[in-house]
Amino acid sequence: QVQLQESGPGLVKPSQTLSLTCTVSGGSISSGSYYWSWIRQPAGKGLEWIGRIYTSGSTNYNPSLKSRVTISVDTSKNQFSLKLSSVTAADTAVYYCARSQMAQNSEYFQHWGQGTLVTVSS
Amino acid sequence: SYELTQPPSVSVSPGQTARITCSGDALPKQYAYWYQQKPGQAPVLVIYKDSERPSGIPERFSGSSSGTTVTLTISGVQAEDEADYYCQSADSSGTIVVFGGGTKLTVL
Repeated sequence: QVQLQESGPGLVKPSQTLSLTCTVSGGSISSGSYYWSWIRQPAGKGLEWIGRIYTSGSTNYNPSLKSRVTISVDTSKNQFSLKLSSVTAADTAVYYCARSQMAQNSEYFQHWGQGTLVTVSS
Repeated sequence: SYELTQPPSVSVSPGQTARITCSGDALPKQYAYWYQQKPGQAPVLVIYKDSERPSGIPERFSGSSSGTTVTLTISGVQAEDEADYYCQSADSSGTIVVFGGGTKLTVL
């Protein structure tokens, strides 16, 4: 059974870059036709998809965050990563990594990490 | 930008049927998915491809689709079903993932 685990700083200063890593265990990140995504959730609010990467390196991002987001993959470490630049307090949220599976022209998330809280504050 | 619309809250008594709707213009062309999220936990997929149920999800959870609206139905609601429920789909191109705003299900 695949498992995902987020890691990274829990506190980031405004204007700096948020960096998180998701480590995948129980299976190779390169195997199968899966996408690897980041999703966030501010306290008391809904889920927001940040973006996805395929193991080929192709990416798609939420248009509302596209100018600040970079998602990358390191297949040798079975990890993928998120960088969000120029953060503000509005970026404070629980950040989840997830594996998605395609269904026709859309995808769904069957495997999630436990989530990690990132607070943006000076 | 594309949006999925859910009611903020639904309340139901134990044993009754709860119905949570999700509306979006691209839903006739895109599958919908439903997640259950309890406090402090990651979301759990309860319905995929409009009406399919993953293994391990109780039969009381079902999904349906009609035009621009999809519906999650929980029959014989139990206290443990109290949670936030999110629909999810994609824009018409399939490139962008979109979540609904979430519905808080309260079991009275």
